[in-house]
Amino acid sequence: EADIYQTPRYLVIGTGKKITLECSQTMGHDKMYWYQQDPGMELHLIHYSYGVNSTEKGDLSSESTVSRIRTEHFPLTLESARPSHTSQYLCASSEQGSNEKLFFGSGTQLSVL
Amino acid sequence: KQEVTQIPAALSVPEGENLVLNCSFTDSAIYNLQWFRQDPGKGLTSLLLIQSSQREQTSGRLNASLDKSSGRSTLYIAASQPGDSATYLCAVYSSASKIIFGSGTRLSIRP
Repeated sequence: EADIYQTPRYLVIGTGKKITLECSQTMGHDKMYWYQQDPGMELHLIHYSYGVNSTEKGDLSSESTVSRIRTEHFPLTLESARPSHTSQYLCASSEQGSNEKLFFGSGTQLSVL
Repeated sequence: KQEVTQIPAALSVPEGENLVLNCSFTDSAIYNLQWFRQDPGKGLTSLLLIQSSQREQTSGRLNASLDKSSGRSTLYIAASQPGDSATYLCAVYSSASKIIFGSGTRLSIRP
């Protein structure tokens, strides 16, 4: 069973607010990812990390930033939220090596008014 | 550039039927392929992972196959149940260490 947790589960905020979406995993995985998914649409990679102090931008341009100070923690921050940021944000992690099975958290549904 | 396609986008079948979901990819240089299910508004739950050296994986009523040469994977669900209703996504791990997701097949099992 996957041990990857995202908080909050739902978030409704006003335009211009700074928010941080939390993601933690207890499996000791080096690789962590943030995906954005609109209803009924594909997942798009927005950030990933291959270990502590390693962060990279994904395929989808995003105004968010991430940090990886500890192996188990990979928070995503929006400095100034806008209605266009309304979406579901999914965090995932995987091991290094050939068996890079992805494990996902339950997601954060963000609504910016 | 790797492209992953899942057809059909939606499928509705009566309970008890066996069914096959399809996943096609354009670049055969992959090293893993993973099938997930996603319930509305939720995260993804891993179903099966097939490594490039494997041809198939089985878990309960699910069987996933991989044919790299033809760029295809199938997910076979035996004796479908209403609880199987969900969106099923495949993810292809390319040799460049990128993971590309298909857009999914929305499956509905009619009681």
